[in-house]
Amino acid sequence: AQSVAQPEDQVNVAEGNPLTVKCTYSVSGNPYLFWYVQYPNRGLQFLLKYITGDNLVKGSYGFEAEFNKSQTSFHLKKPSALVSDSALYFCAVRDYHFYSGNTPLVFGKGTRLSVIA
Amino acid sequence: DGGITQSPKYLFRKEGQNVTLSCEQNLNHDAMYWYRQDPGQGLRLIYYSQIVNDFQKGDIAEGYSVSREKKESFPLTVTSAQKNPTAFYLCASSSRRTENTGELFFGEGSRLTVL
Repeated sequence: AQSVAQPEDQVNVAEGNPLTVKCTYSVSGNPYLFWYVQYPNRGLQFLLKYITGDNLVKGSYGFEAEFNKSQTSFHLKKPSALVSDSALYFCAVRDYHFYSGNTPLVFGKGTRLSVIA
Repeated sequence: DGGITQSPKYLFRKEGQNVTLSCEQNLNHDAMYWYRQDPGQGLRLIYYSQIVNDFQKGDIAEGYSVSREKKESFPLTVTSAQKNPTAFYLCASSSRRTENTGELFFGEGSRLTVL
């Protein structure tokens, strides 16, 4: 079975500092990995995904994520945080098997990012 | 504009009543999903449908029912059998082109409160 862990419920960072939101995953096949962001009382917005290729993936709003197969991690990063980045961030994984097809997306519990001015 | 529309945004229900949450998409997506969000628990999959007239149970289907009679619509009924229905409900969809890569498009959610 596939699973995702976001070990931090809350991350606090000062505006202008780099930020990292951690994610580790577990799958039996090939992982397809995603980050989504949610603002209060809103739906989720897609940020970026890793399917194959370069381990460093660039996404929306200056965010990037690094896929590390040996550590089964997919941490979200941004070089310089903005107050407007404050939101709830979700990591998600899909376990893809060539012969049996895809499985539904599984989400982590979310990490609340607070950027302080 | 193309997108996913969920209604109502806020809903109050008395115990013992069934309620139906609407989800409509005009993205021509084949697959649709319902997730439930509770504080500190992330998103949990209730039901999903990959094609019209077919759907599968997710991890927490008990007390819920769905139908997929049209490609555009995937309503969720929260029945009186659902023991703790107060939550934020999110509908999502994906196209056949992106289905294997998993990019989901989400509606704005419906917040159900049981009084």
